[in-house]
Amino acid sequence: DIQMTQSPSSLSASVGDRVTITCRASQDISHYLAWYQQKPGKVPKLLMYAASTLQPGVSSRFSGSGSGTDFTLTISSVQPEDAATYYCQRYNFAPLTFGGGTKVEIK
Amino acid sequence: EVQVMEFGGGLVQPGGSLRLSCAASGFSFSSYAMTWVRQAPGKGLEWVSSITGSGDSTYHADSVKGRFSISRDNSRNTLYLQMNSLRAEDTAVYYCAKESGPYFSYYVMDVWGQGTTVTVSS
Repeated sequence: DIQMTQSPSSLSASVGDRVTITCRASQDISHYLAWYQQKPGKVPKLLMYAASTLQPGVSSRFSGSGSGTDFTLTISSVQPEDAATYYCQRYNFAPLTFGGGTKVEIK
Repeated sequence: EVQVMEFGGGLVQPGGSLRLSCAASGFSFSSYAMTWVRQAPGKGLEWVSSITGSGDSTYHADSVKGRFSISRDNSRNTLYLQMNSLRAEDTAVYYCAKESGPYFSYYVMDVWGQGTTVTVSS
């Protein structure tokens, strides 16, 4: 099975910082990579798909890049409401593996 | 409004069975694949099972294969997860999610339910 590895597992940032989260696939998954945001005690929410396409309604602070095995999620200027755990997920074929998550804390 | 809502969670003894349901509304249910995802307490998301819109193809994670079975009734706009031989490690919040297309490959989970809690304990 293809494994998805996220780094870091957690980070702490100040308001206005640029934050970058990395997701690596153990095999080529082309552009079939999604990002989900889960705020504390809340339901996961789709942020982005096809590695870089924002879901409607998602802030343009969020951007994604990558293809093949290496992907990044960037928050250009992190805000207090961005405190959450972020998960990558590949969806090219089953099993539809999630990464382990990256917890973003706002100082 | 597009919505999915889970039912059926609860406390069950190890080795027991439970059936989860997910009621869908606001979209053409049979046109979309559906997926179950779980989250153990304090842990990350784990994909569990998926089914195509027509119901003719399913896939289960190795961790539940042979014990869990996903199905759907398109006439009732309802998704199910039959869980047998439950173990302590199946304790989790179970989320139902709508896929963005008719298959579970090449489509993403764009609508999630609030989740239902399953606790396996004696």
